[in-house]
Amino acid sequence: DAGVIQSPRHEVTEMGQEVTLRCKPISGHDYLFWYRQTMMRGLELLIYFNNNVPIDDSGMPEDRFSAKMPNASFSTLKIQPSEPRDSAVYFCASSFADRPRGYTFGSGTRLTVV
Amino acid sequence: SQQGEEDPQALSIQEGENATMNCSYKTSINNLQWYRQNSGRGLVHLILIRSNEREKHSGRLRVTLDTSKKSSSLLITASRAADTASYFCATVGSSASKIIFGSGTRLSIRP
Repeated sequence: DAGVIQSPRHEVTEMGQEVTLRCKPISGHDYLFWYRQTMMRGLELLIYFNNNVPIDDSGMPEDRFSAKMPNASFSTLKIQPSEPRDSAVYFCASSFADRPRGYTFGSGTRLTVV
Repeated sequence: SQQGEEDPQALSIQEGENATMNCSYKTSINNLQWYRQNSGRGLVHLILIRSNEREKHSGRLRVTLDTSKKSSSLLITASRAADTASYFCATVGSSASKIIFGSGTRLSIRP
């Protein structure tokens, strides 16, 4: 298994532009999580899905952020319009079954908004 | 606010020494997990301890859990340069599936 795959690895964009981050979870995992990591705020859970359905999006900072999971093998996190304060590393993670035993993380997308 | 808080925030030790990191949390949990993050990389799951367990071992790792004090510790014995990383504790609540991460401990191993 190739693990959780995120793309792109790095993204530099101008303020106001739309940004789409992508994630392919491990096959068979039924939970998918999006986290954001910054020096100031650490690791923040943004949203998570179970069987492609969003369960908890209380961590999504504002309406500029949206996430979808159209099928079991793909999820996107979109920021529109982007702002410099969105600069962070965004991680996707997946796990199997409820009360997860441990997540498998992707390598992350480093987003810089200038 | 974050569920877990690690202590210390940073730790520097000599290679071969043992490293101990502590984690405190606020609410009841189903389990507690420790993760490692190397610079610029994703997090890697190290070990999980359930709320009804008190101690667990995995190779050079030893984790303890004290639910009465809402605290856990991670001990890395005979440290190596490759252990240099940030270590995070993470908790899964009794009625939730999501994991909440602490702020992490930056561990540096001096050769």
